[in-house]
Amino acid sequence: EAGVAQSPRYKIIEKRQSVAFWCNPISGHATLYWYQQILGQGPKLLIQFQNNGVVDDSQLPKDRFSAERLKGVDSTLKIQPAKLEDSAVYLCASSLDGTGPGNTIYFGEGSWLTVV
Amino acid sequence: RKEVEQDPGPFNVPEGATVAFNCTYSNSASQSFFWYRQDCRKEPKLLMSVYSSGNEDGRFTAQLNRASQYISLLIRDSKLSDSATYLCVSINDYKLSFGAGTTVTVRA
Repeated sequence: EAGVAQSPRYKIIEKRQSVAFWCNPISGHATLYWYQQILGQGPKLLIQFQNNGVVDDSQLPKDRFSAERLKGVDSTLKIQPAKLEDSAVYLCASSLDGTGPGNTIYFGEGSWLTVV
Repeated sequence: RKEVEQDPGPFNVPEGATVAFNCTYSNSASQSFFWYRQDCRKEPKLLMSVYSSGNEDGRFTAQLNRASQYISLLIRDSKLSDSATYLCVSINDYKLSFGAGTTVTVRA
C-alpha cells in the first residue's frame, strides 16, 4: 500500500517569499492533517480536514498560512509571506476516518522548510 | 500548561537493559493515547495504542494511570535499533496533542 506522499522534501527560501507544499494521503483516507514540527518539539496541528471540510484550524496562523483540500483527496499548504520562525518540518498525515479507536494516523516523510 | 509533557531525556542505556519513561497529560477527559516512535529526521510511526489500562507488544509495554494522569512506556531487552525519540500522544474528541518526545539511546 502506498503511503502518504509529500513534496517537495526540502525547500530553502528567503523570508517574505512564499512556498507551497503538496500532500497526497493514503487512498481512501477521509481525514487529512497538516502538522508543523519545529526541531526539538512535538508535532503541532495546523489544520485537519474531513473529506474537503475543515474540522480544526484553530492553530493555523491565518494571516500567512492557508490550506485547501478541494476535491477531498490531495491537499496543499501555503505560507505567504514566510518568516524565519516558520523553519520547520511540515508533516502531512492521514487516517481512515478521524481519531477513533482503530484509526491509525499515518505520516508522510515531511517537507523540510528553511527560511533564511 | 502543555497538554502532554515528557521528560526529554536522553536516556542512555546499554543493550539488553530495561528502560522506562513517563508522559503526563493535563486533560482528564482524554480518551485514548498513543506512543509514536520518531527516528532522526524521519516521520513519526505508530508504536502502540493505549485505550484502557495498558497494552503490551513484544518487548514494549505501555501502562495508563488515569488517577495520576500519566502513561508509561517500558522497553525490555533494549536493542540498538530502539534508539529513537518516543512521542506520547493524547486524544480528546478528535484532537491529538503530541508531547515533545523522550530520546532513548541504546549503546553497544
